[in-house]
Amino acid sequence: AQSVAQPEDQVNVAEGNPLTVKCTYSVSGNPYLFWYVQYPNRGLQFLLKYITGDNLVKGSYGFEAEFNKSQTSFHLKKPSALVSDSALYFCAVRPSLNNNAGNMLTFGGGTRLMVKP
Amino acid sequence: DAMVIQNPRYQVTQFGKPVTLSCSQTLNHNVMYWYQQKSSQAPKLLFHYYDKDFNNEADTPDNFQSRRPNTSFCFLDIRSPGLGDAAMYLCATSREMTSGRKDTQYFGPGTRLTVL
Repeated sequence: AQSVAQPEDQVNVAEGNPLTVKCTYSVSGNPYLFWYVQYPNRGLQFLLKYITGDNLVKGSYGFEAEFNKSQTSFHLKKPSALVSDSALYFCAVRPSLNNNAGNMLTFGGGTRLMVKP
Repeated sequence: DAMVIQNPRYQVTQFGKPVTLSCSQTLNHNVMYWYQQKSSQAPKLLFHYYDKDFNNEADTPDNFQSRRPNTSFCFLDIRSPGLGDAAMYLCATSREMTSGRKDTQYFGPGTRLTVL
């Protein structure tokens, strides 16, 4: 069975500093990995994904994530945090194996990012 | 530009009174999902439609049903809402092909359900 771990419930960072939100995963075969962001009372907004190719994936709003196969990690990063980045972030994984039953995502528990001015 | 639309955004119902939440999409995706999300927890998949094929998660209560009359619309019916069903309900869509090509799930803004 696949699983995702986000070890930090909350990450605090000062505006302008780099941020990292951690994610590790477990899945059979090659993973497809995703990051979503959720603002209060809103749905999940897709940020970026890793399917194959370059380990460093660039996404929306200046975010990027690095796929590390040996460490089974997919940490989300941004060089300079903004107050408006404060939100709930979810990492998700699905296997790359063909599955005609659908696109079953497994989510991590979420990490709340607080960026202080 | 809205791609996955959920109505209403906020729904209040009474204990035991049936309620229907709706989701529509302009992406022409063949898979639609319903998730339940409580208190900033991870979304929990309730069920999904792969085209017209309904797939229920094993631990989804019978109280929750779904309908997909066409590609664009999908409904979540809660037959007898309990206090524990108060949550954010998220609809998502994706495009799946039998070739195995996978695509991203795109979420709607959610409907927050309150049960009085």
